[in-house]
Amino acid sequence: GAVVSQHPSWVICKSGTSVKIECRSLDFQATTMFWYRQFPKQSLMLMATSNEGSKATYEQGVEKDKFLINHASLTLSTLTVTSAHPEDSSFYICSARDAQGAHPDTQYFGPGTRLTVL
Amino acid sequence: AQKITQTQPGMFVQEKEAVTLDCTYDTSDQSYGLFWYKQPSSGEMIFLIYQGSYDEQNATEGRYSLNFQKARKSANLVISASQLGDSAMYFCAMREIFFTGTASKLTFGTGTRLQVTL
Repeated sequence: GAVVSQHPSWVICKSGTSVKIECRSLDFQATTMFWYRQFPKQSLMLMATSNEGSKATYEQGVEKDKFLINHASLTLSTLTVTSAHPEDSSFYICSARDAQGAHPDTQYFGPGTRLTVL
Repeated sequence: AQKITQTQPGMFVQEKEAVTLDCTYDTSDQSYGLFWYKQPSSGEMIFLIYQGSYDEQNATEGRYSLNFQKARKSANLVISASQLGDSAMYFCAMREIFFTGTASKLTFGTGTRLQVTL
């Protein structure tokens, strides 16, 4: 149980284009999902908390207009990197809480998406 | 202020031996949760073990156990009978609960890279 998927697993795009990343909870409903960014050999940095049916809560320093988050259903959250630039190249990971599971406080992570902007 | 501290950037352990990965934390909250995640080279964050601040017994999950010393604010991960597949980055994380009761964030440490040798 508590499986989270992400799509795509990797993407290469040209500078100036937008990229959408999907995060799905496969076997549970997630009212809250989280989006993280991880640079090589570094820890995870929380970007935003995605709430189903409402606006996302962004961490300080994260541009809301740059990283658009939509959590339209209890099993899907999307992160769109708009007008991507090379400095946006990174590993993006989502997570979700299974509030009904054995460990309701635990966040379960997707496999991550490696974004490369040329 | 840094809330999760992992002082070991890298550790080596021989196969079948036990290893302890250190984690100390800082919080003024009475209610919090501590987690350990494993990140292999593929990038996925794998949940290993959880310890609640009010749990009186140390958490155990198979070969993983958490040495929780509340007064010292430490939550060390012990891996028994190490296997080659245990080679990965290991992150300690803490969840704090805020007064609003909303889904609270995880704060991650900088990680420890464990290498299991023959």
